[in-house]
Amino acid sequence: DQQVKQNSPSLSVQEGRISILNCDYTNSMFDYFLWYKKYPAEGPTFLISISSIKDKNEDGRFTVFLNKSAKHLSLHIVPSQPGDSAVYFCAAIQGGSEKLVFGKGTKLTVNP
Amino acid sequence: NAGVTQTPKFQVLKTGQSMTLQCAQDMNHNSMYWYRQDPGMGLRLIYYSASEGTTDKGEVPNGYNVSRLNKREFSLRLESAAPSQTSVYFCASSGTGSVNYGYTFGSGTRLTVV
Repeated sequence: DQQVKQNSPSLSVQEGRISILNCDYTNSMFDYFLWYKKYPAEGPTFLISISSIKDKNEDGRFTVFLNKSAKHLSLHIVPSQPGDSAVYFCAAIQGGSEKLVFGKGTKLTVNP
Repeated sequence: NAGVTQTPKFQVLKTGQSMTLQCAQDMNHNSMYWYRQDPGMGLRLIYYSASEGTTDKGEVPNGYNVSRLNKREFSLRLESAAPSQTSVYFCASSGTGSVNYGYTFGSGTRLTVV
């Protein structure tokens, strides 16, 4: 049973516009959520995270929003740049656990 | 600062052969992990080690064994490789109690079993 779901395998946006990547989860015990970015032939790299006690966290062009009642989070990238083209993984962790649970990823393509 | 180093980067095995994937981190992290990435499947945890001397199964442990040799090194062994183990393997580490639980990943090992 998939606890972290990214229902859009791919997303294409124009340079300068907003990219919105979505993620849903089923486990209400998750208390920390993270986004990772992965380029081809490289390992994933940590991008941004949010605690379950917050509803928004911002870091430069990247903002993560958390809606606990809907068990939904989203990553906003504004403005999108061609260098943002990558696979983005949503992940979650439960307090006291050592294990991140990953979604299947969304491939973002930013067109010049 | 090397972070997490995986060797080899590429490997082709014949069915039934064995091999060990090596992973080392230089960040003094307590926890280490092995994931596999397959198309459309995301990242799936094979095994992890919360501290030196301990290992635990993840989501897909069958066909694999691990060794936490010391705090720095965590190896993954395929005793008898099968085509279903064709995948990209990632090692990761994290510091216990990290504020953001951010893992640091290696660059991966692309394994093909023929």
